[in-house]
Amino acid sequence: TQLLEQSPQFLSIQEGENLTVYCNSSSVFSSLQWYRQEPGEGPVLLVTVVTGGEVKKLKRLTFQFGDARKDSSLHITAAQPGDTGLYLCAGGYGGGSYIPTFGRGTSLIVHP
Amino acid sequence: ETGVTQSPTHLIKTRGQQVTLRCSSQSGHNTVSWYQQALGQGPQFIFQYYREEENGRGNFPPRFSGLQFPNYSSELNVNALELDDSALYLCASSLFGREQETQYFGPGTRLLVL
Repeated sequence: TQLLEQSPQFLSIQEGENLTVYCNSSSVFSSLQWYRQEPGEGPVLLVTVVTGGEVKKLKRLTFQFGDARKDSSLHITAAQPGDTGLYLCAGGYGGGSYIPTFGRGTSLIVHP
Repeated sequence: ETGVTQSPTHLIKTRGQQVTLRCSSQSGHNTVSWYQQALGQGPQFIFQYYREEENGRGNFPPRFSGLQFPNYSSELNVNALELDDSALYLCASSLFGREQETQYFGPGTRLLVL
C-alpha cells in the first residue's frame, strides 16, 4: 500500500501548457517535499513545505501544502521541454532522524 | 551537481551473489541514507547511518546491511542477491539536526540481477 498517492502517473503535454500534479495521503506529515528526477540521475530537491496552507513559488512552479498537511500540489505554468522528468513527493515527520516516504511519482514529458 | 558520488554506476550480478555499493557524502554532511528505487516506483528507504551507527531502517531483510566510515562515506552490502533486488540504489547525504530534511542524492548505482 502506497502511503503517498501521486496523480496522474503519466502526463504528456505540449510546450506552453499548464499542468498540476497531486500528492495525497491519509497521514499527516510535518513536512512535505517535491523532487525532480531525470533519467540516470538521483532526485533533486525542489522545495520543502512545512506549514498547512503554505504556498511556495519557484519561477514557473507553484507548490501548495494542504491545510491539514495531508496533501500537496505542484502547478507548472507554461511548461517547457526542460521540465521533463519524474516528479516525486515525499512526506516526513519531525524529531529524531528524518526518514521521508516517497510517492511513486508523476512522469512528465513536455514536447517542443 | 550535489557532490554526492556513488560507485559503480552499473553492475550486473547473478542470483545468490553478494554486492557492495559505495557512496561518498557531500562535504560537511554527517548522515547517509540508502534507498532502493525499482523501475516505475519511488525510492524506498533502506536505512540511514549517522556517526557510524544505523539510525533507522526500512522494511528490508537483514541481508541488506551497511557501514559508515569516519569520513562519513558509506557502503551498502547485499547478500544472497535475488532477481527482485534489481533496481537503482540511491544514497543521499544530509546534516543531522536542523536541516536534516534537506537531502542531496547521488546519481545512483543501477544493479541488474540475472
